[in-house]
Formats: sequence, C-alpha cells, structure tokens
Amino acid sequence: NAGVMQNPRHLVRRRGQEARLRCSPMKGHSHVYWYRQLPEEGLKFMVYLQKENIIDESGMPKERFSAEFPKEGPSILRIQQVVRGDSAAYFCASSPGTVTYEQYFGPGTRLTVT
Amino acid sequence: GQNIDQPTEMTATEGAIVQINCTYQTSGFNGLFWYQQHAGEAPTFLSYNVLDGLEEKGRFSSFLSRSKGYSYLLLKELQMKDSASYLCAVRGGRNAGNNRKLIWGLGTSLAVNP
Repeated sequence: NAGVMQNPRHLVRRRGQEARLRCSPMKGHSHVYWYRQLPEEGLKFMVYLQKENIIDESGMPKERFSAEFPKEGPSILRIQQVVRGDSAAYFCASSPGTVTYEQYFGPGTRLTVT
Repeated sequence: GQNIDQPTEMTATEGAIVQINCTYQTSGFNGLFWYQQHAGEAPTFLSYNVLDGLEEKGRFSSFLSRSKGYSYLLLKELQMKDSASYLCAVRGGRNAGNNRKLIWGLGTSLAVNP
C-alpha cells in the first residue's frame, strides 16, 4: 500500500509565476490536508478537503492560494503570482473516512521562489 | 482562542528517559496526537489518546489528562536516532462532526547526546 505521494519534491519558481503542488492520498483515504512549514517553525494548517469539497480553508491566505480535490486525480494546491515569502515546505496528509483520525504525511514539496 | 504549548527545546542523554509535556486550550476536545519529525522530513504518527490514561507502545508512551488539558510523551532508552522534533496536535471543536482538522503545537526539538 503506497503512502501519500507528493510531487514535485522540489520546485523552483521565479516571482510572479504559478506553482502547482500535487498530492495523491493513500489508497482508501478520502480526506486530504495541506500544511505549510517554514524552516525552524511549526506546521501551519492551510486547508482540509474531501473529494470535490472544501471542508475547512481557514488557514488559506485569502488571495493567490487555492486548493481542490477532484473526483478523479490528485489534490492540487495552487499558488498564483508567487512571492519570496511563499518559499516553504508544503506537506500534504491524508486520513481514511473511518473513525481513525490520524493523518499520514507525504514527503513534502520544497518550494523556492527566486 | 485555541492554543497548544510545548517546550521549544530539550536535551537528554542516550539511554535515559525523557518526558515532553504538552498543554492545550481548545474549544472542545476530540483526541490528542503525537508526531515525530526528523529534520527535512515529514511528520510520522506516534500515538493517539482520546481517553485519560497512559498508552504504551514500545519505548514510547503517551499520557492524557483531559481535566487538566495536559499530555506528555515519554521516551525510554533513548537512542541517537530519537533526536527529532516532537509535535503535539489536538482535534478540537465542540461540534467537530466531520471536521478532522488538527490544531498543532510548534514542536519540541529533542537533542539526544552520547
């Protein structure tokens, strides 16, 4: 059973470009979470999605950031017009649709904005 | 507001025992998680407590007191590979319903010395 997969693992973008981060949850998991982590800092919740639904986006910046989890395919975190401050590690986690609540994390995407 | 507090850093000696504390103030409580995160890697699940008491899993144990809003992670027979950040997270919300969002502490960086 493959774990949570994220790609790309490393992404370099120039200021003003768009960044697309992909996350494929573990098989059988229907809940996806996106987090951002700056060096030497804690995990910051961004958004929680189920298939075709955004459940909680209270941690998402109001502008430039969006997320989706379509019926088919991976979850996508999209950052438009990136700025240097967007440089961070972005982790995706998934959990099953049962009573079990632990989240399983992917390896993360390291975004560098130059 | 909702808050999770952990010590920022701890140091211990190989072979010893260390206790990492976590206190929380959340609107409702639906379980507490401990995760381990090595530098540059994704967090990995260690334990889950929803009822008061001690949960033991090998060298690691986790304790919860809901009335005190308090948990600790106990690591025994410390090994060098236990040097990592340890994250406390709470599933809060009075009517959490289907919302599985976790509230995360900033993590405790543990250094194990020979």
